[in-house]
This record gives sequence, structure tokens and C-alpha cells, in this order.
Amino acid sequence: DAKTTQPNSMESNEEEPVHLPCNHSTISGTDYIHWYRQLPSQGPEYVIHGLTSNVNNRMASLAIAEDRKSSTLILHRATLRDAAVYYCILRDYGRGSTLGRLYFGRGTQLTVWP
Amino acid sequence: EPEVTQTPSHQVTQMGQEVILRCVPISNHLYFYWYRQILGQKVEFLVSFYNNEISEKSEIFDDQFSVERPDGSNFTLKIRSTKLEDSAMYFCASIKDSSNEKLFFGSGTQLSVL
Repeated sequence: DAKTTQPNSMESNEEEPVHLPCNHSTISGTDYIHWYRQLPSQGPEYVIHGLTSNVNNRMASLAIAEDRKSSTLILHRATLRDAAVYYCILRDYGRGSTLGRLYFGRGTQLTVWP
Repeated sequence: EPEVTQTPSHQVTQMGQEVILRCVPISNHLYFYWYRQILGQKVEFLVSFYNNEISEKSEIFDDQFSVERPDGSNFTLKIRSTKLEDSAMYFCASIKDSSNEKLFFGSGTQLSVL
């Protein structure tokens, strides 16, 4: 699966929006962009995923660049509970890679200040 | 929301002993996984399981590891003869079906091999 690059850490204040960037310059046409997060002492948790269009759900929004070489996870109003490691992961649906096999990187550690 | 349940939350064992980590995936899910995370390291895929057989395994999943779905609800990971380097957090995960790649993870079992 193609590689992603994320900042090691980011900080935000509570109630403010957070934009978590991810670069994936080698993304292929069949790669979906997935985001998971891992709260302290928890398993990873699905956040959102998309292919080309921007996506919204109750947790977050995903903004995908027109050339798909980068994306941004947007938390509209950060809460203390959003403090976690956020992983940007590419999933190739087109080359027969195993369903559910994710390649986690180091992710971005998000700190939220009260 | 339905959850993946893992037991025990902590397991301590002596090197060379066998351990069985237990998971109850979400009831209508069809695809099952084990991942692990060594302290301070990335989350790593171990094995995927579907239709009562292994779909894919990583190079970590050697002959010391086995998985089983002994009944309609449990999914287990057995390590036959534990090594110090098997100390890690082990996460079970499941997916509902092939049209939905949202992985649901459990909270993990912390395995400590002494």
C-alpha cells in the first residue's frame, strides 16, 4: 500500500477546529483514504474514509485535494476526548489486497488543551 | 453501538507458556482480524480470518501462532510457546461484510511475557 506522511504531533485548544494534514503523493487511482484514531489505552477507531469527494460524518470531515496527493481530516470543534493519535491510511481496493488489512504508520499525536 | 469484546484485558505469563487471547466480535460480522502493537511501536497486522479459515497472515504470524473460531461467537488467538518479544497489546477486529471496510477494534489484551 502507498505511503502517507503526517506530522508527528499537533496541538489545539478545546472548542477550536483542527485540521490534520496527510500527504500521499504516490496515491493510485484505486486507493481509498482512510482515517482511524487511537485514544490512550484503546484500540484504533474508524473515523472516516473517502476516494475523491469530500466526506462528512458525525465525527469529522475529510477534505481531499483535487489531485488526491493530500487530504485533511477536519475536527470542527475539538474536545478533550479528541486527544488521540490520528492515522491516515491508504487502502488499495483495486489490486486484490486483503479486506481489513491496514498498514498503520506513526500517525499524528493530537493534544487538546482545555 | 455494538462492540468487539476482548478478554482478559491483561495477561501475564512465563516465557515458554501457551496463552489464549479471546475475542467476541460483533455478532453479525463475517471477517475477523488480529493486530498487535508493541509498546511505542506501530499497530501491525497479524492475521485475517473468514469462513473458518485464514485469509492472509503476516510474516509475524509464524507457526507459534494459531487462530480459531471454536463456536459462533468467539475468536481466539493462541501463542503456543511465548517469547519475551511477544509482549504487546493484541487487538481483535471485525468487519461486517465485504461491502463495508469499516474495521471495529476491541480495546485489546495487554500480554506481558516474563
